[in-house]
Amino acid sequence: EVQLVESGGGLVQPGGSLRLSCAASGFTFSSYWMHWVRQAPGKGLVWVSRINSDGSSTSYADSVKGRFTISRDNAKNTLYLQMNSLRAEDTAVYYCARGGFYGDYEVWGQGTLVTVSS
Amino acid sequence: QSVLTQPPSVSGAPGQRVTISCTGSSSNIGAGYDVHWYQQLPGTAPKLLIYGNSNRPSGVPDRFSGSKSGTSASLAITGLQAEDEADYYCQSYDSSLSGLFGGGTKLTVL
Repeated sequence: EVQLVESGGGLVQPGGSLRLSCAASGFTFSSYWMHWVRQAPGKGLVWVSRINSDGSSTSYADSVKGRFTISRDNAKNTLYLQMNSLRAEDTAVYYCARGGFYGDYEVWGQGTLVTVSS
Repeated sequence: QSVLTQPPSVSGAPGQRVTISCTGSSSNIGAGYDVHWYQQLPGTAPKLLIYGNSNRPSGVPDRFSGSKSGTSASLAITGLQAEDEADYYCQSYDSSLSGLFGGGTKLTVL
């Protein structure tokens, strides 16, 4: 079964850091672009970041550029999102998703909640 | 405010047909980038409903269809069912903003 499972969410103070993980199974992880998408409580979906299959190319939304870093370990079939200098507006459910360069997110994880609050 | 504009809500009675529009611009949909649609049931992760403007993944009923013209796209749902009540999002790519979602449309089945 094709599956993505996120972990690492939680409560963090403004200015703090958190690393999210996304464990992939059931498909050849190293062959796919991967993305992070977030959803603030009661709000819509927002694309955050993407990484190519071997990790050599990354892109970020302007709202997180310079604060978040996407990476992957193909040997461990795991995607990461390192989040630094967190702000209240980063509070959201973070989903990892398998998709092409332009999107087309065909597989989604269940999401992990990140709450930034003092 | 999203670059891809969707109506905040639509509604229809069981058995009826509803459409959800997604309006972009010359830098995204109008530039030829594909539009994809997602269904998000309450409390769950989004699910791919339509990809590449009009294609259905395996398992998606043919009651769901997508189309694209110019700078806009549409999702049509025929034979509306109670289980279709959900949030629907369009998604495309923008040459300046990379990944791009519409603001979402809440479908209510009356």
